[in-house]
Amino acid sequence: GAVVSQHPSWVICKSGTSVKIECRSLDFQATTMFWYRQFPKQSLMLMATSNEGSKATYEQGVEKDKFLINHASLTLSTLTVTSAHPEDSSFYICSGGGETYEQYFGPGTRLTVT
Amino acid sequence: AQSVTQLDSQVPVFEEAPVELRCNYSSSVSVYLFWYVQYPNQGLQLLLKYLSGSTLVKGINGFEAEFNKSQTSFHLRKPSVHISDTAEYFCAVSRTGTASKLTFGTGTRLQVTL
Repeated sequence: GAVVSQHPSWVICKSGTSVKIECRSLDFQATTMFWYRQFPKQSLMLMATSNEGSKATYEQGVEKDKFLINHASLTLSTLTVTSAHPEDSSFYICSGGGETYEQYFGPGTRLTVT
Repeated sequence: AQSVTQLDSQVPVFEEAPVELRCNYSSSVSVYLFWYVQYPNQGLQLLLKYLSGSTLVKGINGFEAEFNKSQTSFHLRKPSVHISDTAEYFCAVSRTGTASKLTFGTGTRLQVTL
């Protein structure tokens, strides 16, 4: 099956700093990429949907100025958490979709803000 | 809009016993249905999917699920579980067509013990 990677897998940052998470589709072109957030022992909540070359569409309640999403190419999307605070600590998962229905999930990035 | 309900947050079961994880959905449009498994600190792995056709779908690791349109259900079953099946299981739906956002249930923790 198709492979999606995320980098880093785990990141610790200080409150007030920004952190960038990369999501790459390794063997397919992801025309659409999704970013999810998962709190401990909870389900995945969609944060935003991005199409290559277009602005991301954010779900209600997600601050677009805080969670910057860039989908500059068909194989790379980035999520930047700006001015991170402890409440932003979470597990962030991306997925990529091509021309069919299926999404392929990355392994996730655990963000800890101290 | 779609919604997914997983009634059981935890399901304890002995090894080699059968198991059923329940999933009900609500949607005003045609949907695809999915079951994903998540091991600790990992992303999601697709177990199986229903797109169309036969209502009984078989997936990896011996799992199967049956789509019941009248009851809007998509329950996951396995006739004999193993310790290694201990994980979080998520039911999800998406609109039919090309890659569209997934709506997840709250998850069911399957705990297999000896």
